[in-house]
Amino acid sequence: KAGVTQTPRYLIKTRGQQVTLSCSPISGHRSVSWYQQTPGQGLQFLFEYFSETQRNKGNFPGRFSGRQFSNSRSEMNVSTLELGDSALYLCASSFKAPWGEQYFGPGTRLTVT
Amino acid sequence: DQQVKQNSPSLSVQEGRISILNCDYTNSMFDYFLWYKKYPAEGPTFLISISSIKDKNEDGRFTVFLNKSAKHLSLHIVPSQPGDSAVYFCAASDGSSNTGKLIFGQGTTLQVKP
Repeated sequence: KAGVTQTPRYLIKTRGQQVTLSCSPISGHRSVSWYQQTPGQGLQFLFEYFSETQRNKGNFPGRFSGRQFSNSRSEMNVSTLELGDSALYLCASSFKAPWGEQYFGPGTRLTVT
Repeated sequence: DQQVKQNSPSLSVQEGRISILNCDYTNSMFDYFLWYKKYPAEGPTFLISISSIKDKNEDGRFTVFLNKSAKHLSLHIVPSQPGDSAVYFCAASDGSSNTGKLIFGQGTTLQVKP
């Protein structure tokens, strides 16, 4: 079974621009969560989608948004990029969250200049 | 407010010996716990998990122990191998929230010396 895939793997953007990241979960997994990893803050929860509905959202500004499609693929969007948005963005999929294992993709490394 | 804490930023052990990584939590609503291993520039790799109805779970060289009264869990790796060198994160979830949100600790860097 293929793992979680994320595209693109690396991205360089300029302040003020917007960006869209994509995540394809493991086949059969309906829960997709997004996390931001930075050296200072560690892994921080952004939001989780299940069957196209956002079930939970972390403490991030409204510039961070996401969605999930009927095939469980998910996208996250960051508008008006700031330097502090430079991070590794990870998505994870699960078959039976919150009581099951969550499997992470390789991440998208976003650099904002 | 850090609900999941890994107080040891780093740990160094000799190959073949036991590695013990510790994690403390404050939220009594957490009922599912996971350990992940992470290499730089890669996503975390799931290692092992434990439900709050258990106090121990084993998978090969990895064993997780949960002490609910102390709000403490630990990951034992026996025997440790150089390939185990990585950053280890513990994570917790609250099943009653009915979401996949995980709260992560800050990580412990394990170095296994040959």
